[in-house]
Amino acid sequence: AQKITQTQPGMFVQEKEAVTLDCTYDTSDQSYGLFWYKQPSSGEMIFLIYQGSYDEQNATEGRYSLNFQKARKSANLVISASQLGDSAMYFCAMRSNSNYQLIWGAGTKLIIKP
Amino acid sequence: GAGVSQSPRYKVAKRGQDVALRCDPISGHVSLFWYQQALGQGPEFLTYFQNEAQLDKSGLPSDRFFAERPEGSVSTLKIQRTQQEDSAVYLCASSLSGGWGYTFGSGTRLTVV
Repeated sequence: AQKITQTQPGMFVQEKEAVTLDCTYDTSDQSYGLFWYKQPSSGEMIFLIYQGSYDEQNATEGRYSLNFQKARKSANLVISASQLGDSAMYFCAMRSNSNYQLIWGAGTKLIIKP
Repeated sequence: GAGVSQSPRYKVAKRGQDVALRCDPISGHVSLFWYQQALGQGPEFLTYFQNEAQLDKSGLPSDRFFAERPEGSVSTLKIQRTQQEDSAVYLCASSLSGGWGYTFGSGTRLTVV
């Protein structure tokens, strides 16, 4: 069975510091994709970054990067130079080629302190 | 439209009432998904449409839940005889090809009292 684990229920980070949000996954599929989404208090799921299982380089999107360690089945999100507007829930999700459903973790609540 | 639109934004229903939640996907998006997100949890898959065909409804929690997309665009999620455990945010997402680029709506927050 496919599973996403996010072990940090909440994190406090000082503004302008970098932050790493942990995500481990479990799947028997060889072809899959990993996603990170941000959900502010308004409720919308905002796509941040995507990593394919066959991508050799770690994905980057502006201040977001994904630290993909395939052998360890981890896909941690790194946010550089955090901003107050980064305060939100962050979800890691996975989809495999054999299943179009997104499987989600429980999320991490990130609070950026001024 | 420019994004996925969901309405109503908030819905309060008395236990036992029927509700209908609407999702208007991005124009041209073939695939449409419904997810249920309980408070403090990650979303869980409910159902999936490709055009007007409902290809997977395995996530619908009971036969009180029903979804349709009759013309392959707007979708409606209907919940009959609502129960307190139905209280959640219902998220709709659409994509071009049922694959990897999902766009989510802002969700409908349903509270059953």
